[in-house]
Amino acid sequence: QKEVEQNSGPLSVPEGAIASLNCTYSDRVSQSFFWYRQYSGKSPELIMSIYSNGDKEDGRFTAQLNKASQYVSLLIRDSQPSDSATYLCAVPDTGRRALTFGSGTRLQVQP
Amino acid sequence: EAGVAQSPRYKIIEKRQSVAFWCNPISGHATLYWYQQILGQGPKLLIQFQNNGVVDDSQLPKDRFSAERLKGVDSTLKIQPAKLEDSAVYLCASSLDGSSGSTDTQYFGPGTRLTVL
Repeated sequence: QKEVEQNSGPLSVPEGAIASLNCTYSDRVSQSFFWYRQYSGKSPELIMSIYSNGDKEDGRFTAQLNKASQYVSLLIRDSQPSDSATYLCAVPDTGRRALTFGSGTRLQVQP
Repeated sequence: EAGVAQSPRYKIIEKRQSVAFWCNPISGHATLYWYQQILGQGPKLLIQFQNNGVVDDSQLPKDRFSAERLKGVDSTLKIQPAKLEDSAVYLCASSLDGSSGSTDTQYFGPGTRLTVL
């Protein structure tokens, strides 16, 4: 069974700092990886996807993928209190495309 | 573009009662997913439809859960009878799933929060 592991947190960072969120996955054949943000009481929303080894940047967000180490991370630069949420790492099943989610990391950005 | 619609938003029932949730995906999206999210956990797939056919229901507790997507558009998820451990948020998601072979973005509805007493 595919597993996606995340540290549950909470990860607390001061406003303006870089938040680093990590995720490991068990299925070596996984090709794509997604980061979702979930505010309390809300549904998940996609913030980043990454398919290739290396870094992918989108505004203040950078996703990093290392397939050899089966590791994907999300960096949030210049963290804002509005970034306080749970960040879910997700990996699609090969073929069926349904997502296997990690349990999420709760991020708290302190003003 | 309208998002994924779900109803009801909240439901409280007694154990052993039945309950049904409704989902209307984004127009044109072929694939529809039902996920269960227990407090403090990530969403877990219950069932996946491609148009009106079931792609994956391996994690659906079929003795009590059922789902259908009769015309390939909206879908209903039913629980009968409910147990205390069914208390969770039930999320519906949809994706376009064209022929590119890549994984299309899944868009989530607001969810239905179920409390079983």
